[in-house]
Amino acid sequence: DAGVTQSPTHLIKTRGQQVTLRCSPKSGHDTVSWYQQALGQGPQFIFQYYEEEERQRGNFPDRFSGHQFPNYSSELNVNALLLGDSALYLCASSLAGTGYNEQFFGPGTRLTVL
Amino acid sequence: AQSVTQLGSHVSVSEGALVLLRCNYSSSVPPYLFWYVQYPNQGLQLLLKYTTGATLVKGINGFEAEFKKSETSFHLTKPSAHMSDAAEYFCAVRTWAGANNLFFGTGTRLTVIP
Repeated sequence: DAGVTQSPTHLIKTRGQQVTLRCSPKSGHDTVSWYQQALGQGPQFIFQYYEEEERQRGNFPDRFSGHQFPNYSSELNVNALLLGDSALYLCASSLAGTGYNEQFFGPGTRLTVL
Repeated sequence: AQSVTQLGSHVSVSEGALVLLRCNYSSSVPPYLFWYVQYPNQGLQLLLKYTTGATLVKGINGFEAEFKKSETSFHLTKPSAHMSDAAEYFCAVRTWAGANNLFFGTGTRLTVIP
């Protein structure tokens, strides 16, 4: 049973560029959340996708956008990159339903903005 | 609003000694509380969680935590530290009722001295 996978593992971009990060959820999961983890900090919730729509969003600017595909995989897009966007981006998947549904995290994509 | 405070960004213990990592929270909804562990260059792994019911929660790898509503605390303990416990530990609280997204603390790095 494959867990949450993310690609690429590492990425280097320059200021002003755009980047796309990808996530495949754990088998059987239909919901994907994205988190940003800056160096020395805890992860911060960016947004969550379910049924191909953004359902919840944290305190991130519109430069951060996403997409969910019919197979439940997801992309995170960041436009007009800033130095402060350098971070580990974590994807978490879960299965929607009643009660609390545990999130399973992927290994992350390390983004460096120069 | 939700917040999490982890007291001590770095904690060092001797192998075999008690591990105590502190977490205090603030939540405007009944709190669901979590401890995650992160090993270098890896994603987050759930150690344990409190949602409802028994306030003493046992997790993986011998860790446990006690939810104390009066103290707004959810401290993580392990009776005897092992070298393999060296990692970053994050306390988290769910963002709002009905959601499964999380608000994380800034983390505590645990070092185990042989």
